[in-house]
Amino acid sequence: DVKVTQSSRYLVKRTGEKVFLECVQDMDHENMFWYRQDPGLGLRLIYFSYDVKMKEKGDIPEGYSVSREKKERFSLILESASTNQTSMYLCASSFLAGEIDTGELFFGEGSRLTVL
Amino acid sequence: TQLLEQSPQFLSIQEGENLTVYCNSSSVFSSLQWYRQEPGEGPVLLVTVVTGGEVKKLKRLTFQFGDARKDSSLHITAAQPGDTGLYLCAGYTGGFKTIFGAGTRLFVKA
Repeated sequence: DVKVTQSSRYLVKRTGEKVFLECVQDMDHENMFWYRQDPGLGLRLIYFSYDVKMKEKGDIPEGYSVSREKKERFSLILESASTNQTSMYLCASSFLAGEIDTGELFFGEGSRLTVL
Repeated sequence: TQLLEQSPQFLSIQEGENLTVYCNSSSVFSSLQWYRQEPGEGPVLLVTVVTGGEVKKLKRLTFQFGDARKDSSLHITAAQPGDTGLYLCAGYTGGFKTIFGAGTRLFVKA
């Protein structure tokens, strides 16, 4: 089974702090994603990466950055946390089966961040 | 802006009842996924449908992809308390782009 592991399940940070959210997948997937999930707004894509050191902005990248130094690891960074970044953060990975791209996502358990 | 409208948003039913959840869009999808999410956890993939008109069954769950690949439905027969959770549909347009519905929160009472 695919395993996507997020380093922290629950975090509480103060406004202005730097926050790192780590994600590791063990299935050699090419693609990795960071989403945030908020009630009534659904899942929104922050950033994604299709290869090591490659990153692309999603729909809501403002206030976030990412790092992918190794294929299995994708980090989300909040340079200066703000209260409106309180949310559930979900990491996901996906793969290409030959030339078939189904778009199936494999999610981690989520990291619930509260910014005070 | 591409949208995927999911309904109903909330459903509370008795054990043994049947239910259907709908997802509709004006966009054509190359595939569509259904996920189930429990409180405090990440979504778990249930099924992917790819071909227009396709029907897939997973025990008591039946998934259908519309002929035009713009809509989908999830039907649960004889719901059980273990079916309780948040059901998400997600339309994939290719190029790493997935559009999520807002979710249907299902509560099945014993």
